[in-house]
Amino acid sequence: DGGITQSPKYLFRKEGQNVTLSCEQNLNHDAMYWYRQDPGQGLRLIYYSQIVNDFQKGDIAEGYSVSREKKESFPLTVTSAQKNPTAFYLCASSIGDRGDEKLFFGSGTQLSVL
Amino acid sequence: GEDVEQSLFLSVREGDSSVINCTYTDSSSTYLYWYKQEPGAGLQLLTYIFSNMDMKQDQRLTVLLNKKDKHLSLRIADTQTGDSAIYFCAESINDSGYSTLTFGKGTMLLVSP
Repeated sequence: DGGITQSPKYLFRKEGQNVTLSCEQNLNHDAMYWYRQDPGQGLRLIYYSQIVNDFQKGDIAEGYSVSREKKESFPLTVTSAQKNPTAFYLCASSIGDRGDEKLFFGSGTQLSVL
Repeated sequence: GEDVEQSLFLSVREGDSSVINCTYTDSSSTYLYWYKQEPGAGLQLLTYIFSNMDMKQDQRLTVLLNKKDKHLSLRIADTQTGDSAIYFCAESINDSGYSTLTFGKGTMLLVSP
């Protein structure tokens, strides 16, 4: 089945620790995205990548880092600089054509601080 | 910055119609989108409308677009308890040659039997 897989489903972070959220897609999509969802805040864009080895900051990139070494994979690292990391993180992908930004989402990772 | 506004909550009875409203800001958006999110899950694309259309119907879903007022609505006919979820409106934003989606904060639809 084609789709987007996020792992793990639940993740706990200790004080001062970096954690990495995985996102893999087999849809052959060029573009991939990370969003953060807080209750009552909707979705906010963290980082996005239109092609391999290239990515851009979104609205709330501080305290996060990404890499895009392969088309299929777009991992997100939540660094210790992110002081309020507890949230639901959603990865998405799209074909990447301007004017057709239909996003397909993974099932999300809930990150909590211990 | 760009803002997509939605009402936060809507409660209807099973069998009634639901109408979820949204206002957006970028008049150059090519498409406008409606997504559905069930608890603890990702977002599912429900439907979308091209910006040169006024209306799009897809089974129980009807999307209306008023470009002059930058107003988008989603009507769900014969609403069922399984339609209870959060519904997000989204517009495409072009930023430095790249397109991304900006989402509203979501409307929680509660359908009672």
